[in-house]
Amino acid sequence: AQTVTQSQPEMSVQEAETVTLSCTYDTSESDYYLFWYKQPPSRQMILVIRQEAYKQQNATENRFSVNFQKAAKSFSLKISDSQLGDAAMYFCALRAGGTSYGKLTFGQGTILTVHP
Amino acid sequence: SAVISQKPSRDICQRGTSLTIQCQVDSQVTMMFWYRQQPGQSLTLIATANQGSEATYESGFVIDKFPISRPNLTFSTLTVSNMSPEDSSIYLCSASGYNEQFFGPGTRLTVL
Repeated sequence: AQTVTQSQPEMSVQEAETVTLSCTYDTSESDYYLFWYKQPPSRQMILVIRQEAYKQQNATENRFSVNFQKAAKSFSLKISDSQLGDAAMYFCALRAGGTSYGKLTFGQGTILTVHP
Repeated sequence: SAVISQKPSRDICQRGTSLTIQCQVDSQVTMMFWYRQQPGQSLTLIATANQGSEATYESGFVIDKFPISRPNLTFSTLTVSNMSPEDSSIYLCSASGYNEQFFGPGTRLTVL
């Protein structure tokens, strides 16, 4: 079974500053993907960034980057130059291979507030 | 990439009734899923919608309560049966791509 834990129910950041959201996970699979999703009040799930477990290099997408520590099973999201539009609920998610292929296990979510 | 649409986007229903939610993908996908998001909570997988066969349900979810159909590779329905206020949630359809998971906009269900 897979588990994903987000220990920060809420975070806040000043506009233009940097914030890091934490995520830890557990899986017995060797082949898996990790994702960060953003869910604004519109409730649409928006993919922020993904990381393949076999890749050692941390993924980066514009202002979003991850710190993937495979041995520690840690997958944090860093948002640089925060913008008001970044305010949302953020979910960390794990997609394992094998018989669980395609199924996502989500963390509890972190509500991010961006202050002007 | 795939674009997923859901109907209805929201509904208010009476206790004891049933609601069927439709999910349409704009391209053929191998795997489709249904998730539930209770108010203020995370997403929980209800079931995998299998094309041409019975859905595979996760622990805590049963076919009698959440019957699912998937007649082809682009369409699926989820029925929430004999509803109670505890079924008030957002229901999301999802499809798997090679290295991405796509989500529909969700159906917000309120049961009175």
